Amino acid sequence: DSGVTQTPKHLITATGQRVTLRCSPRSGDLSVYWYQQSLDQGLQFLIQYYNGEERAKGNILERFSAQQFPDLHSELNLSSLELGDSALYFCASSVGLGHEQYFGPGTRLTVT
Amino acid sequence: QQQVKQSPQSLIVQKGGIPIINCAYENTAFDYFPWYQQFPGKGPALLIAIRPDVSEKKEGRFTISFNKSAKQFSLHIMDSQPGDSATYFCAAREGFPGTYKYIFGTGTRLKVLA
Repeated sequence: DSGVTQTPKHLITATGQRVTLRCSPRSGDLSVYWYQQSLDQGLQFLIQYYNGEERAKGNILERFSAQQFPDLHSELNLSSLELGDSALYFCASSVGLGHEQYFGPGTRLTVT
Repeated sequence: QQQVKQSPQSLIVQKGGIPIINCAYENTAFDYFPWYQQFPGKGPALLIAIRPDVSEKKEGRFTISFNKSAKQFSLHIMDSQPGDSATYFCAAREGFPGTYKYIFGTGTRLKVLA
């Protein structure tokens, strides 16, 4: 168990809908990262936060947004969902930027 | 644009064999190279990592070999066991303090036969 928690574990929703994925980092970690893992694809970096501030963006769609709250938990919001958004979404945390990342168990999103 | 190329995509070895997974990169600014192990239904877990000023690092049965001039690095699993069956990802870190981010390879699905 990495100490990173993600909820929900599974999410099934329809196209056009909006969902929110939640992540709680390990105790003491200030950095949170979000990744998307599609079938037969590697981990695609989406966005990272450090102590509430956005620090880097990857291949994150404009329909997606995220934030890190004062208690350091983070939420990833996905809107106007499309079938192609079906994937595993992982959150990772680290003590500081660039340090070893510890991954949560992921949220499996299915868009029907 | 795939900045870290990983091969092979899948690998099957007999128990006791030494699977080797390779990664290649172009960006010479990468400064840290971790490997992750992912079991089905779980998140990736850090396995072992290396910095470019070191040519080899061993942790238990896992060894990273790093060739800076060739811009390649590889993971070797000694005396592989069925419990090592998982997907392995290489990664590379880029950026500066305050902006670091990781680029992942596409993964190698390893199956170790009993």
